[in-house]
Amino acid sequence: DQQVKQNSPSLSVQEGRISILNCDYTNSMFDYFLWYKKYPAEGPTFLISISSIKDKNEDGRFTVFLNKSAKHLSLHIVPSQPGDSAVYFCAANEAGSYQLTFGKGTKLSVIP
Amino acid sequence: DAMVIQNPRYQVTQFGKPVTLSCSQTLNHNVMYWYQQKSSQAPKLLFHYYDKDFNNEADTPDNFQSRRPNTSFCFLDIRSPGLGDAAMYLCATSRGGTPGETQYFGPGTRLLVL
Repeated sequence: DQQVKQNSPSLSVQEGRISILNCDYTNSMFDYFLWYKKYPAEGPTFLISISSIKDKNEDGRFTVFLNKSAKHLSLHIVPSQPGDSAVYFCAANEAGSYQLTFGKGTKLSVIP
Repeated sequence: DAMVIQNPRYQVTQFGKPVTLSCSQTLNHNVMYWYQQKSSQAPKLLFHYYDKDFNNEADTPDNFQSRRPNTSFCFLDIRSPGLGDAAMYLCATSRGGTPGETQYFGPGTRLLVL
């Protein structure tokens, strides 16, 4: 029973265009959400996060949007660069817990 | 550079032969985590330590044990590995200030069970 779902296993985008990665969750107790990026042969690295009290958080080329009513979040990368090619994991945290619940990841390929 | 180090990067063991994976950190973080990630699956938390306090996830098999002898090191022991335990094992740390805080991951150890 997946509580965090990333329904697109892969995504291809042209360099310079926008990449939109989506994530849905089912647990209404989740109140903090994170995106991690993973290159081959490396561990996941933290990218950006958002608290449930916000609906948007921006950091340079990366913006995360949260729609609590729809239990949906998305990561926007603008403009996309070839170095952004990686697997992106959505993760969620329930208040008071140290556990992160991860999605299965979306492999982003940015084509030069 | 402060970091999370996992050794070895690849580990081959035989069915039923105990194996230990190690993790060390130079971040001086209070919390250390072990995740299991099978191919095309989400990383799944096995357990975590807050300092010396061990916290086991309810569905972590008894076959998996952990030790944290000091702040810097944490070990994952698989007592009798089965074929289904072949996976990537990820160690992570966090400062321990608040739940849900950023976790910093090591590169992982890929375990193969023959």
